[in-house]
Amino acid sequence: NAGVTQTPKFQVLKTGQSMTLQCAQDMNHEYMSWYRQDPGMGLRLIHYSVGAGITDQGEVPNGYNVSRSTTEDFPLRLLSAAPSQTSVYFCAARSGLGEKLFFGSGTQLSVL
Amino acid sequence: GNSVTQMEGPVTLSEEAFLTINCTYTATGYPSLFWYVQYPGEGLQLLLKATKADDKGSNKGFEATYRKETTSFHLEKGSVQVSDSAVYFCALSDIAGGGADGLTFGKGTHLIIQP
Repeated sequence: NAGVTQTPKFQVLKTGQSMTLQCAQDMNHEYMSWYRQDPGMGLRLIHYSVGAGITDQGEVPNGYNVSRSTTEDFPLRLLSAAPSQTSVYFCAARSGLGEKLFFGSGTQLSVL
Repeated sequence: GNSVTQMEGPVTLSEEAFLTINCTYTATGYPSLFWYVQYPGEGLQLLLKATKADDKGSNKGFEATYRKETTSFHLEKGSVQVSDSAVYFCALSDIAGGGADGLTFGKGTHLIIQP
């Protein structure tokens, strides 16, 4: 029972570098989302998807891109990393509105 | 829009103490309410939920009752253990007025249980 799998667990970037955080789920859930977690801020939604081929912006989308070519995968791309993007990133999946979220174990990202 | 308010802590208790973590919400529709728990180094996982007024969610000795009249969903446990040390998030799901995806989280309450 893998659930939601995120890679990598840790990453250090230099300002201006780009990278992709990977997220995969094996539950066949339509809905997937990316959050960032910062001290004192709780969880903030970056982007979400209600199904393959459909994505939309959350509360803090600037500096991030997503795509959803398959039900299973929902990668998050940082185009040009900035120190303000230092955070812990969580991917989540759920079967529908009002249903519980299944979270990945997170990616701790540091941008120097 | 919707909002969830909870104490941020840290809340420090001795083992076997009674726990209450307050959560109040503002919602435009009829939300479902959740408590999620995050253990150190892990992602959030659902602890319990309630989908309508007066419902009580319970799991692992934790309970919370959906109180529409006071717009509250307080988390309680009668006797906490060191293993309950974690961050607890109150959340609501309401497509009518929630965030972009209908979900709104509180900022989390850090609970520390001392032996």
